[in-house]
Amino acid sequence: QSALSQPASVSGSPGQSITISCTGTSGDIGNFGYVSWYQQHPGRAPKLIIYDVHNRPSGVSNRFSGSKSGNTASLTISGLQAEDEGDYYCSAQTTTSTLEIGGGTKLTVL
Amino acid sequence: QVQLVESGGGVVQPGRSLRLSCTLSGLTFTDSGMHWVRQSPGKGLEWVALISHDGTKRYYADSVKGRFTISRDNSKNTVFLQINSLRADDTAMFYCATDRGGGLSAVPPDNWGQGTLVTVSS
Repeated sequence: QSALSQPASVSGSPGQSITISCTGTSGDIGNFGYVSWYQQHPGRAPKLIIYDVHNRPSGVSNRFSGSKSGNTASLTISGLQAEDEGDYYCSAQTTTSTLEIGGGTKLTVL
Repeated sequence: QVQLVESGGGVVQPGRSLRLSCTLSGLTFTDSGMHWVRQSPGKGLEWVALISHDGTKRYYADSVKGRFTISRDNSKNTVFLQINSLRADDTAMFYCATDRGGGLSAVPPDNWGQGTLVTVSS
């Protein structure tokens, strides 16, 4: 069981916006600005889409945005597209210098 | 272009050992902390271990401490993961990934390899 809690699944229709939450503690998300989000399609390696809470790597669509409040980080995807369907994971540094990864959220585009 | 290539996976009997390798190109290896992350079939990602850029710091998930050892050879741009006393629940895709910092403490990784599959079965 991951220390970072994510909803198992979310869904939305094309064009809509969805938000995925990632709840941790003061020992990880609440204490550091190193929160990242990954997208994973079946059979593929994870891909970094948000780093340091709200930054997007070069080439990642601006439809992806991140935020943090207290011990909870959030990923918002606006203007949902069919290609956004997949699994999403949050990750954060901990006070023991290790890494936590959330249990993952399956996004379905209806 | 950053590339990570894992190798060393395969079908292994329970109780045996295995050493995974990951070679990095396109980045300065001696500046890069390196992670191993695994994913059991149909399950989520699980962080396994991190080694700092200079090899002086190593961190492990509690679930693998004592059985897994991470190491690196900076002359070969390669990081290793030694897995001892393999168990059925070690069956997973193992990914290596670069730490966004130097790995002196874990920063969520940026670049990922395609993974190497370890299957533990008699």
